[in-house]
Amino acid sequence: DTAVSQTPKYLVTQMGNDKSIKCEQNLGHDTMYWYKQDSKKFLKIMFSYNNKELIINETVPNRFSPKSPDKAHLNLHINSLELGDSAVYFCASSQAHANEQFFGPGTRLTVL
Amino acid sequence: GQQLNQSPQSMFIQEGEDVSMNCTSSSIFNTWLWYKQDPGEGPVLLIALYKAGELTSNGRLTAQFGITRKDSFLNISASIPSDVGIYFCAGRGSSNTGKLIFGQGTTLQVKP
Repeated sequence: DTAVSQTPKYLVTQMGNDKSIKCEQNLGHDTMYWYKQDSKKFLKIMFSYNNKELIINETVPNRFSPKSPDKAHLNLHINSLELGDSAVYFCASSQAHANEQFFGPGTRLTVL
Repeated sequence: GQQLNQSPQSMFIQEGEDVSMNCTSSSIFNTWLWYKQDPGEGPVLLIALYKAGELTSNGRLTAQFGITRKDSFLNISASIPSDVGIYFCAGRGSSNTGKLIFGQGTTLQVKP
């Protein structure tokens, strides 16, 4: 009965590789988000999608490309990974633009 | 852009003590949310505040939406060891995109 799930939980990869993180929510929400949490635990929004439409794009390098095949899924693809991409990435969802966002367990990305 | 200042940055207290933390903003927020993050997990919503002056409780937790709409505080009474974690405030301004701005977090440690 997981609400917001992400895979994988951990991702270790070499610089220059391309990787994807998947997110699914079973809450019936129509808005989904990607956040990045750095080593100082600071949480910053990257993207949000409402009904498969991009709503927020926060000055994120275009190596990051979110894709929403349907409103229950929001995947994050990252090209040409760099050392600075190492962080924990959280997916979240909410009902429309309602204030209460529910977070997934996170994906810890380590770029070597 | 909008920023949140959360304090204190960290707290180390004795079990049974009360805890208080707060967030201030340089601009007005329409919503304040308080989240808790356990190690290796995603943030979990504790309390949501929607009106200036609103005081809301969730068990031993109490949070208030400041009258000026530029601040909020969270109190935890009679702390217990499982209160350990990082507490984040988050605010939403007038944007209708659902964008949340997060504070830097308060790391709480409780000594049994």
